[in-house]
Amino acid sequence: GENVEQHPSTLSVQEGDSAVIKCTYSDSASNYFPWYKQELGKRPQLIIDIRSNVGEKKDQRIAVTLNKTAKHFSLHITETQPEDSAVYFCAASSPEKDLYNTDKLIFGTGTRLQVFP
Amino acid sequence: DGGITQSPKYLFRKEGQNVTLSCEQNLNHDAMYWYRQDPGQGLRLIYYSQIVNDFQKGDIAEGYSVSREKKESFPLTVTSAQKNPTAFYLCASSTSRPKLLTGGSDTEAFFGQGTRLTVV
Repeated sequence: GENVEQHPSTLSVQEGDSAVIKCTYSDSASNYFPWYKQELGKRPQLIIDIRSNVGEKKDQRIAVTLNKTAKHFSLHITETQPEDSAVYFCAASSPEKDLYNTDKLIFGTGTRLQVFP
Repeated sequence: DGGITQSPKYLFRKEGQNVTLSCEQNLNHDAMYWYRQDPGQGLRLIYYSQIVNDFQKGDIAEGYSVSREKKESFPLTVTSAQKNPTAFYLCASSTSRPKLLTGGSDTEAFFGQGTRLTVV
C-alpha cells in the first residue's frame, strides 16, 4: 500500500522568510496530493492540492510542486507570517483496485511550523 | 461549519469497555474515513468507506469496528481489544468520484472537529 513520508517534523522560521516542507510517496499510481493545515485545537483544512497531470500550482503565498518521476512533492510558503504557524500534513490519494475504485487518502506524519515575529 | 459533525468532543472510557464515536455529515459525500492522531505520528487511517454497507480496513484497524448503514453516518467503535485507545480521533468525508467518470480522482477531505478519547 501507499506510504507517505514527510520532512521535517518541526520547522522554525523568522517572519518574512520562506518555508519548505517535503513529502515522498511510494505508490506510483497515486494521482492526487493535497496539503492540509491544522491550527492548534482545530480540524485539518485543505489549503492547496495538486493532481498528477500538473507539475506546479500556486495560490498567493503558497505553492506546491510535484515530481512524479522521483515521487516527491513539496509545499512552499513565502513571506511567512505568524498566522502560518500550524501543523501541516501532506497526503497522497492511493487508488485501490476494488469494485468501487475506492480512493484511500494516506497522510504524512505532519510538520509543525513555527513562525517567529 | 463544514457539514461534518463528530460527537462527543471529549470521551472518557474505563478499561475493558467498548465506546462508540459518532460521525455525521450532510455534504452528500460518498466516502467517509476515520483517522487516529497521536503526537508525532500524524494521521493514521483506521477504516474508510466508499459506499453504504461497505467499508475497508485502514492501516491500524485492529481493535476498532465501524458500520455504514446510512450514507450520512459512519460510527466508530473502539473495542476493549484496542490496547492503547487514548488518542484524538478525526472523521472525514470526501467528494471522491469514480475514475470511470472523471478519468482521474479527486479526494478533497473535510474533517470533523474530532473526539478526544481518554481511557481512565
